[in-house]
Amino acid sequence: GQQLNQSPQSMFIQEGEDVSMNCTSSSIFNTWLWYKQDPGEGPVLLIALYKAGELTSNGRLTAQFGITRKDSFLNISASIPSDVGIYFCAGQRETSGSRLTFGEGTQLTVNP
Amino acid sequence: GAGVSQSPRYKVTKRGQDVTLRCDPISSHATLYWYQQALGQGPEFLTYFNYEAQPDKSGLPSDRFSAERPEGSISTLTIQRTEQRDSAMYRCASSLGRLIRRETQYFGPGTRLLVL
Repeated sequence: GQQLNQSPQSMFIQEGEDVSMNCTSSSIFNTWLWYKQDPGEGPVLLIALYKAGELTSNGRLTAQFGITRKDSFLNISASIPSDVGIYFCAGQRETSGSRLTFGEGTQLTVNP
Repeated sequence: GAGVSQSPRYKVTKRGQDVTLRCDPISSHATLYWYQQALGQGPEFLTYFNYEAQPDKSGLPSDRFSAERPEGSISTLTIQRTEQRDSAMYRCASSLGRLIRRETQYFGPGTRLLVL
């Protein structure tokens, strides 16, 4: 099925480093979302973006809704060990109701 | 309840058997979603409900898959004549259901299905 193109697939970083990951699509989305999934748990919403060009922060996390509405990025500053997990982008279209289309995920490992 | 719960957490079945997975959404939530998540992939939409209505089931991969929510609360996902390619994590999510596009979908822990 259709999924968003998310990169990188995995990242190995040192505690304190900044992280950036992004998501692209060949078609437009009206909403972009970023989720984090911990082992044994379901995805948890981190940030939601509703307008093209919007830049939103949540603590050490910053995400942007691309101006073309076909991409989004997520930055994590000053990473800590509990940032470990899988990060998913997700897009939503007005024409598709409430269904979410997810990226393949970015596995983040933080070395203390 | 406090969060979305799913049962069983793990299910191992033999090819050709039917399985039924259960989802208990957050009690005040009108909208319920089912997703399939293959290993190393993001969740893929299967279907959703507004109360007991099922407006979109276009993500169901075949007619072996069906979902119900007869009383607008608990939902079941049934896979008939299971095949090995059905092995995946099945996730349920729920949301309030008033402003669907701007609502947070809260995910359950999932049911890991393995078809031998």
